[in-house]
Amino acid sequence: GDSVTQMEGPVTLSEEAFLTINCTYTATGYPSLFWYVQYPGEGLQLLLKATKADDKGSNKGFEATYRKETTSFHLEKGSVQVSDSAVYFCALSFGGGSTLGRLYFGRGTQLTVWP
Amino acid sequence: GAGVSQSPSNKVTEKGKDVELRCDPISGHTALYWYRQSLGQGLEFLIYFQGNSAPDKSGLPSDRFSAERTGGSVSTLTIQRTQQEDSAVYLCASSLGPFSYNEQFFGPGTRLTVL
Repeated sequence: GDSVTQMEGPVTLSEEAFLTINCTYTATGYPSLFWYVQYPGEGLQLLLKATKADDKGSNKGFEATYRKETTSFHLEKGSVQVSDSAVYFCALSFGGGSTLGRLYFGRGTQLTVWP
Repeated sequence: GAGVSQSPSNKVTEKGKDVELRCDPISGHTALYWYRQSLGQGLEFLIYFQGNSAPDKSGLPSDRFSAERTGGSVSTLTIQRTQQEDSAVYLCASSLGPFSYNEQFFGPGTRLTVL
């Protein structure tokens, strides 16, 4: 079935380090791909998205490229800050069919950034 | 404007009791989703409403779970005869429409603990 697999955490980095969180997906169609973030004590919020192959989503210094050939959507940031400490979720959804709109989430990756 | 709100924020109940969880979506959002976040299962889809109809309720884990939406606005998720495995954070999200380009805005969640 349709699913998302993301790297297990926790990930611990020093400030200004490079971040990669891997995400791969299995889907029968052509999904849109998302990264959501959950900061401590806050609700889930959309970080970035890409709706078709080779699209790059970006926001707050984070980037992810929709790679259809490798079914991947890895999250990257060149220089993390303490304020990036949060749980990051990779997700997909479809624009049509019986599962229209519902999000399929990965298990989440806890990121902690130390000063 | 106001975001998605959920009530109560915390609910502790005894096994076998019924509970009702409420979601107030963003005004004008026609699509509404319920998800469940638990340690063992991650983030799972439960049900999707478009207006007052639920075209996708495939994620409801058992017939003890039901949901309704009235006036195209407020939604209530009801769990009958609660079990300990129902303990989780229940998240509600709303969006302008069900399509993958419609961002889903999440509420803060209701933490349900079944003793």
